[in-house]
Amino acid sequence: DAGITQSPRYKITETGRQVTLMCHQTWSHSYMFWYRQDLGHGLRLIYYSAAADITDKGEVPDGYVVSRSKTENFPLTLESATRSQTSVYFCASSARTGGGTEAFFGQGTRLTVV
Amino acid sequence: EDQVTQSPEALRLQEGESSSLNCSYTVSGLRGLFWYRQDPGKGPEFLFTLYSAGEEKEKERLKATLTKKESFLHITAPKPEDSATYLCAVQGGSNYKLTFGKGTLLTVNP
Repeated sequence: DAGITQSPRYKITETGRQVTLMCHQTWSHSYMFWYRQDLGHGLRLIYYSAAADITDKGEVPDGYVVSRSKTENFPLTLESATRSQTSVYFCASSARTGGGTEAFFGQGTRLTVV
Repeated sequence: EDQVTQSPEALRLQEGESSSLNCSYTVSGLRGLFWYRQDPGKGPEFLFTLYSAGEEKEKERLKATLTKKESFLHITAPKPEDSATYLCAVQGGSNYKLTFGKGTLLTVNP
């Protein structure tokens, strides 16, 4: 199916464990993003990528690692999960054009760190 | 740094009662202002892109407008199915990241 998919949809992990959230898009969009959404904070950008092998930090990057070896995939890794990383994580992608370009979002991953 | 402020935080309307949501922004070199709708447990769904002051876009009961400092999402004769959180975002400068406001939770009662 075309679009952007995230996996898993739900994840419970323990403090200190490494966790990887997956994101796959079928549009061949250049840009991909990871956001977290928390009550009172809204959507905050963690990392983004302009193309394969090009990544950059967003507003809240500490404790997260990303990679983008292929255009269609943009995994997000929590190297040592902490309770403060309990959140809903959204992946998004957008095409590269001359003007403003909307981003399309996945369905989200709800992560609980216990 | 780009900033987006949405008001009110929550709005409760009766079915058919028109109103507006506000999005105030500061951005260096606006590339686009975006409106999204988000239902509980789902990802944001794209609604509109506005590029320059004076521009308007419409979709069913929704109309988005843009000035140099703010955008409005006007909701005409809303229905209960319009209940959702509405998010505003801006994209500016030389990169493509979107900066979001905290959203307005709209509830439309029958």
